[in-house]
Amino acid sequence: GQNIDQPTEMTATEGAIVQINCTYQTSGFNGLFWYQQHAGEAPTFLSYNVLDGLEEKGRFSSFLSRSKGYGYLLLKELQMKDSASYLCAVKDSNYQLIWGAGTKLIIKP
Amino acid sequence: DAMVIQNPRYQVTQFGKPVTLSCSQTLNHNVMYWYQQKSSQAPKLLFHYYDKDFNNEADTPDNFQSRRPNTSFCFLDIRSPGLGDAAMYLCATSALGGTGPDTQYFGPGTRLTVL
Repeated sequence: GQNIDQPTEMTATEGAIVQINCTYQTSGFNGLFWYQQHAGEAPTFLSYNVLDGLEEKGRFSSFLSRSKGYGYLLLKELQMKDSASYLCAVKDSNYQLIWGAGTKLIIKP
Repeated sequence: DAMVIQNPRYQVTQFGKPVTLSCSQTLNHNVMYWYQQKSSQAPKLLFHYYDKDFNNEADTPDNFQSRRPNTSFCFLDIRSPGLGDAAMYLCATSALGGTGPDTQYFGPGTRLTVL
């Protein structure tokens, strides 16, 4: 079966850095996505990786290692508004998105 | 602004009473998706349309049906809602439904309550 694993919940302090890991086992790979979802709202796109390495986009960066079936989302200079769930998703060989259950990130002052 | 719109945002229905959720998009995207998401769970794809071609996920119950009368609109019909169907229903669109980033853009969701 296809599987996406990410921690259920993480806590970090305002101004700090946090890394949210995602491991995947899918039938084929056509990219790894990160979405942010605030409570009661729809997911919004954050990043996309299809090649190995780090993609930086302001305070958010995303990393991929295809050989390890692993990626992470790195959030720097955390702000209270970053409190949300972060969903990892992988596009499989059929170009369908396989979703993780999300990591709830709690930011403390 | 181009966007994905869902109506209503909150829907309350009674057990067994049919309900229809609607989604419209101004992005002119080819692909439209319906997801079901329960609290603290991954979004579960129910079905998607590539243009007019309907694609049903194997484990989507027959209780769920969908219609896409034109490019802009898509409907989710729940014929006989059960208590287990209470969830957030998310509509999403993407341009191509294939390779590359082909980002999915989500509407705000409809939260369904079944009494």
